[in-house]
Parts: sequence; structure tokens; C-alpha cells
Amino acid sequence: QSVLTQSPSVSGAPGQRVTISCSGSSSNIGAGYDVHWYQQLPGTAPKLLIYKNTNRPSGVPDRFSGSKSGTSASLAITGLQAEDEADYYCQSYDGSLSAVVFGGGTKLTVL
Amino acid sequence: QVQLQESGPGLVKPSETLSLTCSVSGGPINYYYWSWIRQPPGKGLEWIGFIYSTGSANYNPSLKSRVTISVDRPKKQISLKLSSVTAADTAVYYCARHRQDCTKGVCTTYYYYGLAVWGQGTTVTVSS
Repeated sequence: QSVLTQSPSVSGAPGQRVTISCSGSSSNIGAGYDVHWYQQLPGTAPKLLIYKNTNRPSGVPDRFSGSKSGTSASLAITGLQAEDEADYYCQSYDGSLSAVVFGGGTKLTVL
Repeated sequence: QVQLQESGPGLVKPSETLSLTCSVSGGPINYYYWSWIRQPPGKGLEWIGFIYSTGSANYNPSLKSRVTISVDRPKKQISLKLSSVTAADTAVYYCARHRQDCTKGVCTTYYYYGLAVWGQGTTVTVSS
């Protein structure tokens, strides 16, 4: 049972827009800790996709965007491409646990 | 460009201690937080613990009694030891460097910053 909750799967056709949600609580996202998002392509290490809720590292396409509100955060992917098929994880910090916490991951399928 | 390389035995016997090393190249080890994360087969990411370059560490409460993370600055290595392993500890183990924010030449980093650089991971199987 992950501290941050994500839907197990999401799908979309090429060109469409999908969103992936991440639900937390008052001890992590709701406490003001930033949310970060990672993309994990099959058989590879995770890659930082969004940091500090809304920021993209250099090289990440602007098709990827993040938002945060209250105890939740979302990752949006527009103009879906076949190469976006991957697992996506949200991550934050939990002040009550004094621990870095991850969501359970969402598998994105491009139809 | 900084690179991280995990290394260690790929097979560990139950009840023994898992020992892994993360070697840092192409960048400094000082003034950064470093984490170990693992991923069991077919499952999600689990944070194991982090250490600052001065040696101050913090661990996942669920693993705290079995984990030790240390740093060797001259060798530019971060080590992970996990004792009394069972089959449930079978996973790909990653080391990662937390982000650093730099403004006008002044850089800051915190443990709640995202994980910007990851190693390729090393697979550890616990089996007799």
C-alpha cells in the first residue's frame, strides 16, 4: 500500500491528452512538500520528468506538464505518442513518516 | 555529465547481508543528498534511505532496523547494507542523486528535492 495513490493504468490514442493523478494527504502533498514525476520506460531506470510540481528538466518535451492542488497532483501528457508508453510515478516527502514516498505507479498504454 | 554505477553480488542467501556500492563519476559527491531505491520484479518503486555527503542518513521506517547507508567521499562511493534478507528483498536496486537548485552561484539541496540522476540499477536475487 503506497502512501501516494495513483490509478494503476491509463490509456489513450496517439495525439490525445491523458492525465495521471496522484493523491496524498495532509502529511505529504497537503503539507506543502513538492511533487515530482518520473517516467520509466520498459527495462530502464526511472527518469525525472517533472520536478517541484510544475517544472520540466532540460530536454523534457513541453507535452508533459504538472500541477498540484491541495493534497493531490496531476501529470498531463498532450499529443500522445507511441514512445510515451511507460510507467509513471509520482513522488513527494512525508513529514510524519520522515520518508521519501512514491506512488504505486501508473501504466500508460498508447492504443 | 555525472554518472552513477551500482555494483555488488547478484545473488545473496537468505538471512545474509546484502551489500551494494554506488560509484559516482563525472561530478562531485559533496553537497548532495543520495538515495537508494529498489523495485521488486513487476512492482513499483520503494525508497530505502538517503544520506547527505557529510554522512547524515535517514531510512525508510519499514526497513530502518536492517539498513545502513554510508558515504566514502575520497572514493566517491555510497554504500548500502541490508541485513537479514529474505526473498522479499529480491529487487532491482538503484542509487540516485537528489536535485540541486542554483541561483546566482549559490546552490541548495534538500532531501525533499526530486531525484535528478539515477544509476542503471543492479539486480539482486535472494535465494539459497
